[in-house]
Amino acid sequence: GNSVTQMEGPVTLSEEAFLTINCTYTATGYPSLFWYVQYPGEGLQLLLKATKADDKGSNKGFEATYRKETTSFHLEKGSVQVSDSAVYFCALSGNFGNEKLTFGTGTRLTIIP
Amino acid sequence: EAGVAQSPRYKIIEKRQSVAFWCNPISGHATLYWYQQILGQGPKLLIQFQNNGVVDDSQLPKDRFSAERLKGVDSTLKIQPAKLEDSAVYLCASSSPGGAITGELFFGEGSRLTVL
Repeated sequence: GNSVTQMEGPVTLSEEAFLTINCTYTATGYPSLFWYVQYPGEGLQLLLKATKADDKGSNKGFEATYRKETTSFHLEKGSVQVSDSAVYFCALSGNFGNEKLTFGTGTRLTIIP
Repeated sequence: EAGVAQSPRYKIIEKRQSVAFWCNPISGHATLYWYQQILGQGPKLLIQFQNNGVVDDSQLPKDRFSAERLKGVDSTLKIQPAKLEDSAVYLCASSSPGGAITGELFFGEGSRLTVL
């Protein structure tokens, strides 16, 4: 079945540092890939997505590229801010559409000023 | 636009008691999901509704969990009787007609259940 493996947390960085959160997946066919974020006291929200190989999703300075050859979808940001402190979830959906999202375990990110 | 509403936010019960959680999705969203998020794990889908019909309930422990979505709008998730391992955050999410395919789900803040 489908599965997502995420980088173990928690991750603590200083402001303006470079961020990478690793995500790899196992799936048949051509899944769509997502990063969801959960800010303190809020619900999960979609951060970015990519629906086919080599697509790059981007939002709020974050980027992730769908790499089919390495089955990866790593999240990156060049210069993090304190406001980026949150829990980040990698997720995938099946290739036939309208399939349930499978989530990774989440990575808690804390940015210190 | 109002988001997904859930209640209660917190609930503490003893094992073998029952509990119910309520969810009101974003207006116009036909698809509604209930996820269970145990501490340290990612959300796991319990049940998915399309309007008032069940699309997927393969991971719902049907001996103790039940869910309904009468009239295709709000939904209730019930646990009876609760076990210690049911301690988790129960997340409700909804999506618009295209959302279930594109993967953009809108989540509520969740209902945190503690079973003692």
